[in-house]
Amino acid sequence: TQLLEQSPQFLSIQEGENLTVYCNSSSVFSSLQWYRQEPGEGPVLLVTVVTGGEVKKLKRLTFQFGDARKDSSLHITAAQPGDTGLYLCAGKTGANNLFFGTGTRLTVIP
Amino acid sequence: ETGVTQTPRHLVMGMTNKKSLKCEQHLGHNAMYWYKQSAKKPLELMFVYSLEERVENNSVPSRFSPECPNSSHLFLHLHTLQPEDSALYLCASSREGRRNEQFFGPGTRLTVL
Repeated sequence: TQLLEQSPQFLSIQEGENLTVYCNSSSVFSSLQWYRQEPGEGPVLLVTVVTGGEVKKLKRLTFQFGDARKDSSLHITAAQPGDTGLYLCAGKTGANNLFFGTGTRLTVIP
Repeated sequence: ETGVTQTPRHLVMGMTNKKSLKCEQHLGHNAMYWYKQSAKKPLELMFVYSLEERVENNSVPSRFSPECPNSSHLFLHLHTLQPEDSALYLCASSREGRRNEQFFGPGTRLTVL
């Protein structure tokens, strides 16, 4: 089983601050996805990165895939209360195998 | 109705009960998944169905029995569960292919007494 470690596990910040969440593994993935999950709901896909070194931006969110395709980061600029949630990274290996990370629970305080 | 739906949203059952969880996807996908989400543990993949055939069973106890009658519907039959099986059970679907972007339902919160 591929293990994806996310850090930090918990993060509580003030509105307007910047933050970075990390997703690390010793395994190589063909692609990596980031999801956000809110209480009482299933995870919602934010982005998929495929190429080593790839950077994708989604408004205030910046996602980067490591050059070796083993790790990824999510940077949020000027966090807002609506960003609160559980952030999950997930690495894909075979045709259907998607391995989820341990999660980072983010709270943005107004 | 669009997306992935799951029923019931909440379920409380005794250890001797038999119940079923239902998942339906309206996205035209051809792969469906069951996941278990427990506190303090990563999402655990339980079963994968691709083109209505089970292609993955990650050492799940036999008290969990999946069924996929067609590409739009997925069931998880439960019997003689244990309290440690209490968790959020999530269904997801995707289109076969390299990107494998999975779309999740809202989950069923299961409590086993």
